[in-house]
Amino acid sequence: GEDVEQSLFLSVREGDSSVINCTYTDSSSTYLYWYKQEPGAGLQLLTYIFSNMDMKQDQRLTVLLNKKDKHLSLRIADTQTGDSAIYFCAGGSGGYQKVTFGTGTKLQVIP
Amino acid sequence: GAVVSQHPSRVICKSGTSVKIECRSLDFQATTMFWYRQFPKKSLMLMATSNEGSKATYEQGVEKDKFLINHASLTLSTLTVTSAHPEDSSFYICSAPVGQAGEQYFGPGTRLTVT
Repeated sequence: GEDVEQSLFLSVREGDSSVINCTYTDSSSTYLYWYKQEPGAGLQLLTYIFSNMDMKQDQRLTVLLNKKDKHLSLRIADTQTGDSAIYFCAGGSGGYQKVTFGTGTKLQVIP
Repeated sequence: GAVVSQHPSRVICKSGTSVKIECRSLDFQATTMFWYRQFPKKSLMLMATSNEGSKATYEQGVEKDKFLINHASLTLSTLTVTSAHPEDSSFYICSAPVGQAGEQYFGPGTRLTVT
């Protein structure tokens, strides 16, 4: 099965940009997703990118996809304290197919 | 966006008893739902895929007789933890895929504690 790896922890100062990285092994993933999980809650979909795209921007969020290196990143501009959470990348085929989640990156925003 | 609810949000039960967790899609129909288990500071572990009107598909290593899944309607899937033991204590989350991209909408999770 697919392996999806992320660094465990990232600490940034409020107002700075955050970059969360993800590497995956299965190049057949059609869609790659980013989810946010706040403490004691379910996951919230932030954005996703189709595998034939290199970049997608959505307000403060920018997703970059490097298919050659199987690397996905999420950049959060002007990081706020409310962005403190665990961020998961995931890959899947779309539709009703299951997805594989990464190990999660805990983002800590320092005021 | 699509809304998924879970009930209960927290449950404490005694060892040996059974617990039922409900997952509902509130504003859309979900022919497929996923059940996950999450350990502290760990990623999500997919337990099973719940299919409306048919049997659930369980992941390798998940005991289907212990974790009973029923998806009797297009808006409700239930997970029953039978004969619960302390090692079943965990955070259980359901989700439903929506759209061509299969983006998943998650319930708020259920914290199960078995004493």
